[in-house]
Amino acid sequence: AQTVTQSQPEMSVQEAETVTLSCTYDTSENNYYLFWYKQPPSRQMILVIRQEAYKQQNATENRFSVNFQKAAKSFSLKISDSQLGDTAMYFCAFISLYNNNDMRFGAGTRLTVKP
Amino acid sequence: EADIYQTPRYLVIGTGKKITLECSQTMGHDKMYWYQQDPGMELHLIHYSYGVNSTEKGDLSSESTVSRIRTEHFPLTLESARPSHTSQYLCASSPLGASLNTGELFFGEGSRLTVL
Repeated sequence: AQTVTQSQPEMSVQEAETVTLSCTYDTSENNYYLFWYKQPPSRQMILVIRQEAYKQQNATENRFSVNFQKAAKSFSLKISDSQLGDTAMYFCAFISLYNNNDMRFGAGTRLTVKP
Repeated sequence: EADIYQTPRYLVIGTGKKITLECSQTMGHDKMYWYQQDPGMELHLIHYSYGVNSTEKGDLSSESTVSRIRTEHFPLTLESARPSHTSQYLCASSPLGASLNTGELFFGEGSRLTVL
């Protein structure tokens, strides 16, 4: 079974600085998607960034980028120029192309951006 | 923001009561899901559906039941609530077709249930 591990329960960063959230996963499959979701306090979870496992190039969305290391099964999220609105829970998630009924989530990292 | 809605957002109820958590989406998605979320823990899938009249149990055993009579509606019911059911319940949806299915889930804002 696939598992997703986020080893940082909480992190903080000063506004305008850069922070990296860690995620590792375990799977025997070769084709899958990886995601970072953001859940602001009392608001719905939204997709931040997505990575297809077959793509070697790291995904980037504005201030958000990932470092995808397939052999190491590592998928970290870098947030540049942190903003107060980035304060949220961040969940790393995995879904297999062969069993796409069950997205696996990590336990989350609570990120606080300080002014 | 995604067009998926959950009601109630917050519910405090006594032991033994029957409750229904509502979830509706206006995106025409075939697949819908219910996740249970506890603080500091990963989300766990408790139910999912491929479409109308389809319901399946997820990997986390749950005493709740679901129904899918209409594409847009996926309610979750607890016949007799207990304190162990206290949690946040997240509804999500995604399209079914291979060309549309990027794996992304669209989430509601959640229903936080407290059973006294």
